[in-house]
Amino acid sequence: GDSVTQMEGPVTLSEEAFLTINCTYTATGYPSLFWYVQYPGEGLQLLLKATKADDKGSNKGFEATYRKETTSFHLEKGSVQVSDSAVYFCALVNSGGYQKVTFGIGTKLQVIP
Amino acid sequence: DAGVTQSPTHLIKTRGQQVTLRCSPKSGHDTVSWYQQALGQGPQFIFQYYEEEERQRGNFPDRFSGHQFPNYSSELNVNALLLGDSALYLCASRHPSTDTQYFGPGTRLTVL
Repeated sequence: GDSVTQMEGPVTLSEEAFLTINCTYTATGYPSLFWYVQYPGEGLQLLLKATKADDKGSNKGFEATYRKETTSFHLEKGSVQVSDSAVYFCALVNSGGYQKVTFGIGTKLQVIP
Repeated sequence: DAGVTQSPTHLIKTRGQQVTLRCSPKSGHDTVSWYQQALGQGPQFIFQYYEEEERQRGNFPDRFSGHQFPNYSSELNVNALLLGDSALYLCASRHPSTDTQYFGPGTRLTVL
């Protein structure tokens, strides 16, 4: 079945540091890939998405590129802020079936001033 | 444009009781899915509703049931609550033209 593996946190960075959160996936077919963010005490917010190989999703300074050859979708940001502290979930929706979302375990990011 | 809304925000129940959670999808969205998120874990798919029918189900027992109404809103019912049912329950809706799901703020269920 479909699965998503992402690096376990927590990840602690100083403000303005470079962020990478690794994500790899296993899926049949041609999934769409997503990053969701969850701030403390809140639900999930869509951060960015990519629907086919070599697509780059971007939003709020975050980027991720759909790499089919390495089945990866790593999240990056050049300069993190304290307000980026949250839990980040990598996820996929398979092109077949009824498009349920399969999530990774989540990576907690803490940015310190 | 209102996003996905859920009610109640928080709920405390005791073992053996029954609970009903509610979800209203974004305008124009016709598919509603429910997820369970245990503390420190990623959300797990419970089931999906489309045209008032359950279309797909994850690995959850029959104690978990749902309903979708003609206005696309949905309910999640859990019977015979167990301590392990304590979690954040998330509702997500999807527009028919896209594969992107939008999530509500969730209902935090605590079973004592």
